[in-house]
Amino acid sequence: AQTVTQSQPEMSVQEAETVTLSCTYDTSESDYYLFWYKQPPSRQMILVIRQEAYKQQNATENRFSVNFQKAAKSFSLKISDSQLGDAAMYFCAYRSLISGGSNYKLTFGKGTLLTVNP
Amino acid sequence: DSGVTQTPKHLITATGQRVTLRCSPRSGDLSVYWYQQSLDQGLQFLIQYYNGEERAKGNILERFSAQQFPDLHSELNLSSLELGDSALYFCASSGGDRGYGYTFGSGTRLTVV
Repeated sequence: AQTVTQSQPEMSVQEAETVTLSCTYDTSESDYYLFWYKQPPSRQMILVIRQEAYKQQNATENRFSVNFQKAAKSFSLKISDSQLGDAAMYFCAYRSLISGGSNYKLTFGKGTLLTVNP
Repeated sequence: DSGVTQTPKHLITATGQRVTLRCSPRSGDLSVYWYQQSLDQGLQFLIQYYNGEERAKGNILERFSAQQFPDLHSELNLSSLELGDSALYFCASSGGDRGYGYTFGSGTRLTVV
């Protein structure tokens, strides 16, 4: 079974600075999807960025980018020019590309609570 | 508004009772997923439906059941509630069988007293 590990329960960053959140995963599959979700105090789960494992290029969405190291099974999220609105719980998630059974589900890490200091 | 609607937003009930949580997926999405979020267990996958049929089952208790109706809305039924069932219950939807684009609802906060 796939597992997702976020080793940093909490992180803090100064406004306008850059912060990197770590995520590692364990899988025997060669193709899969990886995601970062943001959960602000409103509790809404918001998709931040998505990476397809067969694409070597790291995904980027405005101030958010990933460092995807497939061999190391590492998928870190970099937030540049941090803003107060970035304060939230961030979850890393894995989804198998294989159809059938429980492979459709997203498997989440435990999350990293990000604080942005003014 | 994500397009996924969950009702109610908050629910307080007593132990031993039964409740029903409702989810309307984003327009056009055929898949519905239910997740439970608690402080100690994180986000746990419960069950998935695709176009009315159960597709995958996760850590769902026997006291819990779900279904997806012809109009694609889904209900999660929780019975014989225990204090430990207190959690945030999320519904998510996605389009097509590949389902990599999950959209979450705002969740139902269940408190069992």
